Amino acid sequence: AQSVTQLGSHVSVSEGALVLLRCNYSSSVPPYLFWYVQYPNQGLQLLLKYTTGATLVKGINGFEAEFKKSETSFHLTKPSAHMSDAAEYFCAVSLTGGFKTIFGAGTRLFVKA
Amino acid sequence: EAQVTQNPRYLITVTGKKLTVTCSQNMNHEYMSWYRQDPGLGLRQIYYSMNVEVTDKGDVPEGYKVSRKEKRNFPLILESPSPNQTSLYFCASSLGLLSSYNEQFFGPGTRLTVL
Repeated sequence: AQSVTQLGSHVSVSEGALVLLRCNYSSSVPPYLFWYVQYPNQGLQLLLKYTTGATLVKGINGFEAEFKKSETSFHLTKPSAHMSDAAEYFCAVSLTGGFKTIFGAGTRLFVKA
Repeated sequence: EAQVTQNPRYLITVTGKKLTVTCSQNMNHEYMSWYRQDPGLGLRQIYYSMNVEVTDKGDVPEGYKVSRKEKRNFPLILESPSPNQTSLYFCASSLGLLSSYNEQFFGPGTRLTVL
């Protein structure tokens, strides 16, 4: 069965510092992997996704993630945090040819001035 | 503008009073889904639909019903709401999960409180 684990329900960084949000998944077949962002009082929007091909995926707002099959990880990074990055971030996995998406519990990112 | 709309955005009701949350998308998407979001649990899938008249249970379907009579609409029905259904609900749609375009587009959410 698929599952997604996000390490750390809250992460706090200073403005300008590296952002690292961790995501590990379990899947019996090659998965599709996603990061979504949720700003306060809004729905989720796609940040980036991995389907096939290049394992380093670039998304919007300077975020990127690397698919590491050997580590079953899909960590999200951004070199320099901005105040506007404060939000909740969700990692998600779905199976090729499947109809269900499993979301992690989410990580709330705080950015300090 | 391409979007998923939900109504109402906020709803306070009492135990046992039937309610419907509507969801509509204007992107001609085949796939639609309902999720509930609870603190510490992330999003959990309630029901999903692969096309008109084709629906299936997600991970937490108990206490909910859905229907898909038209491609654009996917209402969520709570026949007899209970306090444990107090949550933030999201509708989402996708072009289809049998292609590589698996991005889901989310509505703005419906905050439901059952007293």
